Amino acid sequence: AAGVIQSPRHLIKEKRETATLKCYPIPRHDTVYWYQQGPGQDPQFLISFYEKMQSDKGSIPDRFSAQQFSDYHSELNMSSLELGDSALYFCASSLRTSGTIRNEQFFGPGTRLTVL
Amino acid sequence: QQQVKQSPQSLIVQKGGISIINCAYENTAFDYFPWYQQFPGKGPALLIAIRPDVSEKKEGRFTISFNKSAKQFSLHIMDSQPGDSATYFCAARLSSGTYKYIFGTGTRLKVLA
Repeated sequence: AAGVIQSPRHLIKEKRETATLKCYPIPRHDTVYWYQQGPGQDPQFLISFYEKMQSDKGSIPDRFSAQQFSDYHSELNMSSLELGDSALYFCASSLRTSGTIRNEQFFGPGTRLTVL
Repeated sequence: QQQVKQSPQSLIVQKGGISIINCAYENTAFDYFPWYQQFPGKGPALLIAIRPDVSEKKEGRFTISFNKSAKQFSLHIMDSQPGDSATYFCAARLSSGTYKYIFGTGTRLKVLA
């Protein structure tokens, strides 16, 4: 079965540079979530999109922005990178069906961002 | 109020033993409680989940016990195996127009051979 695809898998950037992470959700999934996971930490919710519209916002820095495109893939844009941005960035997708209590989210393999 | 507290932080269990991980929450608006298993360098994978109107759910060696009045839920891994060694996260979902998942802080489980 198709899973969530993230690219790149690894990314090394210098301080103050920009980075773009991509996420391709499971086919027919309409919701995308972005999480940041520091070493030994739990995933911290950044932002989510439903049907290409931002649906919720978590602890996403102002330096970061994201969007979901017409083909449902999503991109997380990170500018003015800081050392503390080094983390694993996960994308998850789910199918938000009206009236359902399921809506399980499935995680991608993550992008490991290292800021030097 | 949206916090999910998870314990223990780490757990060492002998092969064949029972691993128990506990989570507690405050927000009664949470309506879905999944557990995720994460191996190093990999994304969290959904293991098992429960709704608050069910007190127990079992899937193979994995069981969730849910105590709605105490606002606590736990994961039990029976006959723990070295391959179960991973980090486990509980989570709680908030549905208020949108879906938002709050994660526990994780439990690093090591099963000794």
